[in-house]
Amino acid sequence: DIQMTQSPSSLSASVGDRVTITCRASQSISSYLNWYQQKPGKAPKLLIYAVSSLQSGVPSRFSGSGSGTDFTLAISGLQPEDFATYYCQQSSDTPRFGPGTKVDIK
Amino acid sequence: QVQLQESGPGLVKSSETLSLTCSVSGGSISSYSWSWIRQPPGKGLEWIGYIYTSGRTNYNPSLKSRVTVSVDTSKNQLSLKLSSVTAADTAVYYCARHGSSGAYYWFDPWGQGTLVTVSS
Repeated sequence: DIQMTQSPSSLSASVGDRVTITCRASQSISSYLNWYQQKPGKAPKLLIYAVSSLQSGVPSRFSGSGSGTDFTLAISGLQPEDFATYYCQQSSDTPRFGPGTKVDIK
Repeated sequence: QVQLQESGPGLVKSSETLSLTCSVSGGSISSYSWSWIRQPPGKGLEWIGYIYTSGRTNYNPSLKSRVTVSVDTSKNQLSLKLSSVTAADTAVYYCARHGSSGAYYWFDPWGQGTLVTVSS
């Protein structure tokens, strides 16, 4: 059973900052890694699939990288609407989400 | 564009069966695979199970003995049944469509979610 971890669990940042979130799998998941954004009271929204493919309509300030067990979501030039919780999710075997990273305003 | 809407009882008694429906509009349910995902209040996301276009299902091993996911193509609806519920099953339940490219798949879009509370 592949476990997912994320770091940090929360972070405070300012508008315009570059933010990076790390996701780690307990064993290799190749490129079967997706990222979601969730705002309070709302359903998660797909940002990036297959490590680095940007979902249609998602701003280009979001980017993903990595392979195997270590992955990164980067937000360059944080905007007010980006304050949310971010989840990684592996689809290599039984789908599993990371515990989430909450990004709030400094 | 496809839209998903979950519906069902907001309150279920402990030991009974939770039954939810996801109505799909703007597209044929037969053309995609579908998942149910839940989120306990204030906690993270847990995948429950999915159904392929072929009708084959796959469930979270931790829930497998209690879960049934099915599709009613005549109504364009996805359904979830979770038996023998306890307070630990209290959560917002989401349905989601699978997007895919080759062996890669992801969840998009999602329904708005429906809160189910299990009472004793």
